[in-house]
Amino acid sequence: DQQVKQNSPSLSVQEGRISILNCDYTNSMFDYFLWYKKYPAEGPTFLISISSIKDKNEDGRFTVFLNKSAKHLSLHIVPSQPGDSAVYFCAANGGNQFYFGTGTSLTVIP
Amino acid sequence: GAVVSQHPSRVICKSGTSVKIECRSLDFQATTMFWYRQFPKQSLMLMATSNEGSKATYEQGVEKDKFLINHASLTLSTLTVTSAHPEDSSFYICSASSLPRTEAFFGQGTRLTVV
Repeated sequence: DQQVKQNSPSLSVQEGRISILNCDYTNSMFDYFLWYKKYPAEGPTFLISISSIKDKNEDGRFTVFLNKSAKHLSLHIVPSQPGDSAVYFCAANGGNQFYFGTGTSLTVIP
Repeated sequence: GAVVSQHPSRVICKSGTSVKIECRSLDFQATTMFWYRQFPKQSLMLMATSNEGSKATYEQGVEKDKFLINHASLTLSTLTVTSAHPEDSSFYICSASSLPRTEAFFGQGTRLTVV
């Protein structure tokens, strides 16, 4: 049972435009959410996180939005750069576990 | 961010042998370590969660006797794939966290190939 879902397996965006990656979760007990970026044959690297007491967290070009009522979060990257091309995983922290989505492969076209 | 070192990065072994993968947190004490497996073009699959000094908790479908996890200290966890078979070939990734409310930092992963 997938508790964290990323329904778009891939996304292509023109360089300089905004990339929006979406993530849905089912467990209302999750209260801490994270985004990771992963290149092939490497471990994921942490990008940005948000606590459930907030609805927005911004770090440079990356902004995460959380809509608790909809159990939905999104990652906005603006402006998108070719180096952003990678697989992005959202994750939710519930108790002693991290639950990951299936990932969205982002391609930023120069 | 915190550094998690995973070793080796690549290993090739013969079928029937055992392989040990190490995961170290270099600059923080990891109360909890996670082991994941990633199949091509698929998500990270959580195999087990281990807390320092206690037995690992395995996810459903993961054979605990085949994938031995030891978390003997706050900075080191090991995954041993016993009697490896070609179907165990995969990308294994560890992550470490000082819970309850911090990020999980990942190692660089280990590409295991069983021939």
